[in-house]
Amino acid sequence: GNSVTQMEGPVTLSEEAFLTINCTYTATGYPSLFWYVQYPGEGLQLLLKATKADDKGSNKGFEATYRKETTSFHLEKGSVQVSDSAVYFCALSASGGSYIPTFGRGTSLIVHP
Amino acid sequence: DAEITQSPRHKITETGRQVTLACHQTWNHNNMFWYRQDLGHGLRLIHYSYGVHDTNKGEVSDGYSVSRSNTEDLPLTLESAASSQTSVYFCASSEAGTGGNEQFFGPGTRLTVL
Repeated sequence: GNSVTQMEGPVTLSEEAFLTINCTYTATGYPSLFWYVQYPGEGLQLLLKATKADDKGSNKGFEATYRKETTSFHLEKGSVQVSDSAVYFCALSASGGSYIPTFGRGTSLIVHP
Repeated sequence: DAEITQSPRHKITETGRQVTLACHQTWNHNNMFWYRQDLGHGLRLIHYSYGVHDTNKGEVSDGYSVSRSNTEDLPLTLESAASSQTSVYFCASSEAGTGGNEQFFGPGTRLTVL
């Protein structure tokens, strides 16, 4: 079956540091890949997505590139802010058939001033 | 603007009581989902629906039920609440079509079963 593995948290950084959150996946075919963000007390919201190999999703300074050869979709940001403190979820949605996404466990990011 | 809402936002109930959590979306999406979120478990799928009168069990469906009488609503019912069902519950919706469609989440309902 499909699966998503992301790095355990929490990840603790100082403001303006570089962020990487690793995400690898297992799936048949050509899934779409997503990063969702959950701010405290809120539901998840889409941060970025990529639907085919070598696509780069980007939003709010965050980027992730769909790497089929390494089955990865790592999230990066060059300079984090305190307001980026949240839980980040990597997810995949298989091509065709089921509309049920597979989520990773989530990675908590804490950014200190 | 289209949105997805949940009510109540917070609920405290007693063991054995029936509880219904509401979910309403104005996206006109065919697909709707219920998840629970617990520390150490991430998001777990409870039930989902691909359209009116369609419902399906997810990975943790025991003790929960849903019904879909229209496109906009998918209420989640706990038949006889148990302490193990204390959790944060999220409703989500997505468009039908390819699997590449994002899910839109509600703000969540925090349920405490005493």
